[in-house]
Amino acid sequence: EDQVTQSPEALRLQEGESSSLNCSYTVSGLRGLFWYRQDPGKGPEFLFTLYSAGEEKEKERLKATLTKKESFLHITAPKPEDSATYLCAVMAATGRRALTFGSGTRLQVQP
Amino acid sequence: DAGVTQSPTHLIKTRGQQVTLRCSPISGHKSVSWYQQVLGQGPQFIFQYYEKEERGRGNFPDRFSARQFPNYSSELNVNALLLGDSALYLCASSSAGTSSSYEQYFGPGTRLTVT
Repeated sequence: EDQVTQSPEALRLQEGESSSLNCSYTVSGLRGLFWYRQDPGKGPEFLFTLYSAGEEKEKERLKATLTKKESFLHITAPKPEDSATYLCAVMAATGRRALTFGSGTRLQVQP
Repeated sequence: DAGVTQSPTHLIKTRGQQVTLRCSPISGHKSVSWYQQVLGQGPQFIFQYYEKEERGRGNFPDRFSARQFPNYSSELNVNALLLGDSALYLCASSSAGTSSSYEQYFGPGTRLTVT
């Protein structure tokens, strides 16, 4: 069974204090690993897709990396508007194209 | 371009009642998936439809059913509601037939409260 574990559960940063969120996964063949941002009471917003180990994607202050067992979301010099829950999900290479999500990391960036 | 739309935004139902949630995918997307998200958890897969055919089903009871229409919109039905069905119900759409078809784009969700 596909599994995704995210850590830490919650993270509080000062504005400008860089950090990383971790996503560990087990999947029977990886089709893709996905990062989403979710604001309270809203639907997840797509950020990145990573397909193979060694791949990296960047968007503004966010950078996602992928190994064979985990992915990291690096946040450089965060701002208060980066406060949200960040969700990681995997899609297996075979079968249905369903996403298996972790429970997310709640990030709070204080000014 | 409009994103994924869902209706209604909020819904309050009583135990034992039935509910229908609606979703319109992004224009040009032919696949719709439904997810349930309870507070503090990540979304959990319920159904996936492509070209009106069911392509996948998660570990949910038969009280949950769905369908997709010729215009690719979709409905999720839940019968005999239980308190535990209270959650945010998310619809996601994706394109098909291209290398980017794995990405799923979510709507704002329908908040269902069962009392």
